Amino acid sequence: QSALTQPRSVSGSPGQSVTISCTGTSSDVGGYNYVSWYQQHPGKAPKLMIYDVSKRPSGVPDRFSASKSGNTASLTISGLQAEDEVDYYCCSYVGSYAVFGGGTKLTVL
Amino acid sequence: QVQLVQSGAEVKKPGASVKVSCKASGYTFTSYGISWVRQAPGQGLEWMGWISAYNGNTNYAQKFQGRVTMTTDTSTSTAYMELRSLRSDDTAVYYCARAIAARPSPNFDYWGQGTLVTVSS
Repeated sequence: QSALTQPRSVSGSPGQSVTISCTGTSSDVGGYNYVSWYQQHPGKAPKLMIYDVSKRPSGVPDRFSASKSGNTASLTISGLQAEDEVDYYCCSYVGSYAVFGGGTKLTVL
Repeated sequence: QVQLVQSGAEVKKPGASVKVSCKASGYTFTSYGISWVRQAPGQGLEWMGWISAYNGNTNYAQKFQGRVTMTTDTSTSTAYMELRSLRSDDTAVYYCARAIAARPSPNFDYWGQGTLVTVSS
């Protein structure tokens, strides 16, 4: 099971929007509507930000949105804030398994 | 409130085994599953496997097949992950996370605090 492909880093200025991509195959991202996104602060457990491609758990700001097209899922963070400068991971169902992306470090310039 | 509390840090020698526990509270344990995810120092997240607390069904990542066993004790609402034949590259923080009961899923809504397992001679 190969890891999903994410950019190692992305950056944006406060108030702007950034998009993090997560590319897989038709066997994972493209094959199911079960993609989630996690935010992880250093030394902390990950936090669920998006599930089932585009659904937000309660308490997650609506600045965080996500979608999927073909074999690529995307997380968009609008109105960037300094506190968004942490790591983000995608995760997909693979048919009896789950697989994470390699992670993306977001820098707020 | 939902909580997953994991056992403390472990130091093991190569070739040994480790068993990490994850005690759940604040929800009906048997209505969900538990997945285990690990993170090596400075690295990304890696899904290890899943167990249904409802019926004990398991699915393990191919990489860990034959070396990992996940179990649950419904009487104490505790999940366990045992990893055998430890190597230095098993050094990582191991997390348990709540998942759905019916099948492996990428949706983990609550996480334990993590357990650092260090493998060193």
